[in-house]
Amino acid sequence: QQQVKQSPQSLIVQKGGISIINCAYENTAFDYFPWYQQFPGKGPALLIAIRPDVSEKKEGRFTISFNKSAKQFSLHIMDSQPGDSATYFCAASPLGAGNMLTFGGGTRLMVKP
Amino acid sequence: GAVVSQHPSWVICKSGTSVKIECRSLDFQATTMFWYRQFPKQSLMLMATSNEGSKATYEQGVEKDKFLINHASLTLSTLTVTSAHPEDSSFYICSASYLAGARLANTGELFFGEGSRLTVL
Repeated sequence: QQQVKQSPQSLIVQKGGISIINCAYENTAFDYFPWYQQFPGKGPALLIAIRPDVSEKKEGRFTISFNKSAKQFSLHIMDSQPGDSATYFCAASPLGAGNMLTFGGGTRLMVKP
Repeated sequence: GAVVSQHPSWVICKSGTSVKIECRSLDFQATTMFWYRQFPKQSLMLMATSNEGSKATYEQGVEKDKFLINHASLTLSTLTVTSAHPEDSSFYICSASYLAGARLANTGELFFGEGSRLTVL
């Protein structure tokens, strides 16, 4: 059972554009929603995370939007750069479960110069 | 952020041999570490949860006798792939929970190692 659904699977954006990746979850016990960035051959790196008590969190060019009622959250990358080209994973976990994350399927982002 | 180190970063072995992968939290203590497996162009699949001083908890479908996990200290967990076969070839990634400060508050943050690529010939 895929508890976190991520879309699109791949995304091509021009330099300077906005990259948007969406995730939807099913488990209402989830209360921690991080996004990870992964470059080829490397482990995932935490990019930004949000908890359900806020609807938006911004860190630099990266923004998470969270819709609790719809059980959806998204990552927006503003002014996308070629260096942002990577695979992005959304994830979710119930904090009480010791950070046992459930990952989305991943989105391969390519930012064209 | 906290640093998690994995070793080796890549390993090639013959079918039938065993391979050990180490996961260390370098600047923090991790009572819980997680082991993931990732196939090319796919997401991370949780294999097991490693708890310091106790037996690991394996996800459904993961053979505990094939993937031996030991978490002997608060900074080290090991994954041993026993009697490796070509289908075990994959990218193995560990992660560790960061418990912040004296209150051991759960910040929710999970830090990942750089991964270990296993190729079984």
